[in-house]
Amino acid sequence: NAGVTQTPKFRILKIGQSMTLQCTQDMNHNYMYWYRQDPGMGLKLIYYSVGAGITDKGEVPNGYNVSRSTTEDFPLRLELAAPSQTSVYFCASSYSRDPSYEQYFGPGTRLTVT
Amino acid sequence: AQKITQTQPGMFVQEKEAVTLDCTYDTSDQSYGLFWYKQPSSGEMIFLIYQGSYDEQNATEGRYSLNFQKARKSANLVISASQLGDSAMYFCAMREGYGQNFVFGPGTRLSVLP
Repeated sequence: NAGVTQTPKFRILKIGQSMTLQCTQDMNHNYMYWYRQDPGMGLKLIYYSVGAGITDKGEVPNGYNVSRSTTEDFPLRLELAAPSQTSVYFCASSYSRDPSYEQYFGPGTRLTVT
Repeated sequence: AQKITQTQPGMFVQEKEAVTLDCTYDTSDQSYGLFWYKQPSSGEMIFLIYQGSYDEQNATEGRYSLNFQKARKSANLVISASQLGDSAMYFCAMREGYGQNFVFGPGTRLSVLP
């Protein structure tokens, strides 16, 4: 099992460019999440999904879009990148909505917008 | 209002000594889960320990234990016999009821001194 994988590991974008951060999990988890972590801070939820075809906004969704066409994949789209989106992005998945189930995290994507 | 508070931005501990990292939380749910994650300098998020709101015993996982005081809404992480490899950021997180997301605290940076 690879767990949760993310690509790319690093990316530099110019202001106004767009990109898609890829996230795949092979654990057959229904619940998937995107977080951002700004320097020296905790994680903030951008979007989440409770299953294929179902997504919803988290705490900081502005400037991002997601889709969930399969159980395995949950890509995050950045449109019109801004310097404020410079951050580390983590994808995570969870087996259940039961509070006892942890989230499994991917290794992160470090994004710089200049 | 902050749901997860970690009041220690940074902590130092001597190798082989025990250290307590503080976490207080705020929720009106009766059912919730509390988690601790470790983030070393390499950036990945590593799950350490879980405590359920209905668990009567404090959780333990090897050198990690969770000092759960429900009435005080605190869930402190205790690391015994600190090792140099314990130097990292530590995040407390909560999942409320059957909520969709985790809420993370701002983290505590632990430095273990030789």
